[in-house]
Amino acid sequence: EVRLLESGGDLVQPGGSLRLSCTASRFTFSIYAMNWVRQAPGKGLEWVSTISGSGLATYYADSVKGRFTISRDNSKNTLFLQMDSLRAEDTAVYFCAKGGQLLSYFDSWGQGTLVTVSS
Amino acid sequence: DIQMTQSPSSLSASVGDRVTVTCQASQDIRDYLNWYQQKAGTAPKLLIYDASNLEAGVPSRFSGSGSGTAFSFTIDSLQPEDIATYYCQQYADLPITFGQGTRLVIK
Repeated sequence: EVRLLESGGDLVQPGGSLRLSCTASRFTFSIYAMNWVRQAPGKGLEWVSTISGSGLATYYADSVKGRFTISRDNSKNTLFLQMDSLRAEDTAVYFCAKGGQLLSYFDSWGQGTLVTVSS
Repeated sequence: DIQMTQSPSSLSASVGDRVTVTCQASQDIRDYLNWYQQKAGTAPKLLIYDASNLEAGVPSRFSGSGSGTAFSFTIDSLQPEDIATYYCQQYADLPITFGQGTRLVIK
């Protein structure tokens, strides 16, 4: 069974930075696209970013473009999300999710990590 | 952006009922439509991909249909463990977008 474990969520001030990690196991990490999806408190799901298996292709929601950077280290089976210039509206639980194919469905999810942006 | 509109936003039904949720896309998305179940305090779970394909291990009482702009998700014979919020999601175009969710409660 696929395992995804996020970490790095914290309380951060507006304008601050945070780096999320997602450690994957029990599947061949390097051949699958990976994704970040977030959920603000009491709200629905919002796609944030996707990275191809090789790491060469990346995609972002307009709401985070230029502020967030997705990356991966296939030697360590780890996905990252570097979050800069954080805003209050970035407050959410951030889930990493394994892609079935690039930019398609999300077939396995981590338990999520909470990012709170507040002064 | 492609807007996904789910209906209803909330739904109350009895154990054993047949339940249907609809999802309307603001433009043609062919069959690039997925359905997820999210139980309280947990991560979403993929149930249906590409409009009508049942994800491995998902009970057969769940099904999906539709193409183009109109889609539906059905639970045959509702079970107590089906209490959750259900989301549709399109991937025909970026950005990937989700419906607002349908909260299902047991009467």
